[in-house]
Amino acid sequence: ILNVEQSPQSLHVQEGDSTNFTCSFPSSNFYALHWYRWETAKSPEALFVMTLNGDEKKKGRISATLNTKEGYSYLYIKGSQPEDSATYLCAFDNAGNMLTFGGGTRLMVKP
Amino acid sequence: DGGITQSPKYLFRKEGQNVTLSCEQNLNHDAMYWYRQDPGQGLRLIYYSQIVNDFQKGDIAEGYSVSREKKESFPLTVTSAQKNPTAFYLCASTKIGVWTEAFFGQGTRLTVV
Repeated sequence: ILNVEQSPQSLHVQEGDSTNFTCSFPSSNFYALHWYRWETAKSPEALFVMTLNGDEKKKGRISATLNTKEGYSYLYIKGSQPEDSATYLCAFDNAGNMLTFGGGTRLMVKP
Repeated sequence: DGGITQSPKYLFRKEGQNVTLSCEQNLNHDAMYWYRQDPGQGLRLIYYSQIVNDFQKGDIAEGYSVSREKKESFPLTVTSAQKNPTAFYLCASTKIGVWTEAFFGQGTRLTVV
C-alpha cells in the first residue's frame, strides 16, 4: 500500500485568510502528483497535474508546489472565499498509472 | 458531452446479496478505477484496469469483483463476501502515457439494509 498523507485533515478559516495544505508521498517511482477539489454533491475536479521537481502551478488564487526528492507538495489558497470550501485531494501517480489518493483536507471558509 | 456516468446514485442492498454498480465513460480513456470512501476518510482504491480484459487489485479488493469487457465500461460487483459494504463508491478514468487528470463519475452511495 502506497502511503499518501495529507495534513491537516480539516481546516476552518475566515474569509480573506490565506491558507496552505500539505501532501506527502513516496519519493520513488514518481510519475505525477495530482490535486483535486471536491465540492459537496459534485464530482472531484482537477486543479493541477504536476510532474517535475520544483514545479509551481497557479490557477487564480490557488497555487501548488512540488518537491519530488523529498516527497511533498503544498497547495496554497490566497485570500480564501466561502466558495473555496471543499475537500482538497492529492493523488500520487506512480509509474504503473495507479492513482493513490491521500485522505484529503476539508476546508471550510467562514464569511 | 464526454464524461463518466455512474448508476445508480443510491443503492440499497440486503445482507447476503450481490449488487453491481455501473460505470461508463465516453472519453476514450484507457484506464478506469474504482474507489471507496468511508466517512471521514479519503478515497481507497478497490480495482483498476488499464486495458480491456485486464485489471489489477487495489488496496481493498477483498469482497469485490470487476470486469472490463469493453473499453467504455468497468462495472463493480459488491459481493456478499464484503463484510462492510456500506460506503460511497466513486469511478474514475484517465488516459495512459500522458500527464492528464482523472475524470470522475458522480458516485454511488450503497447502503446495506
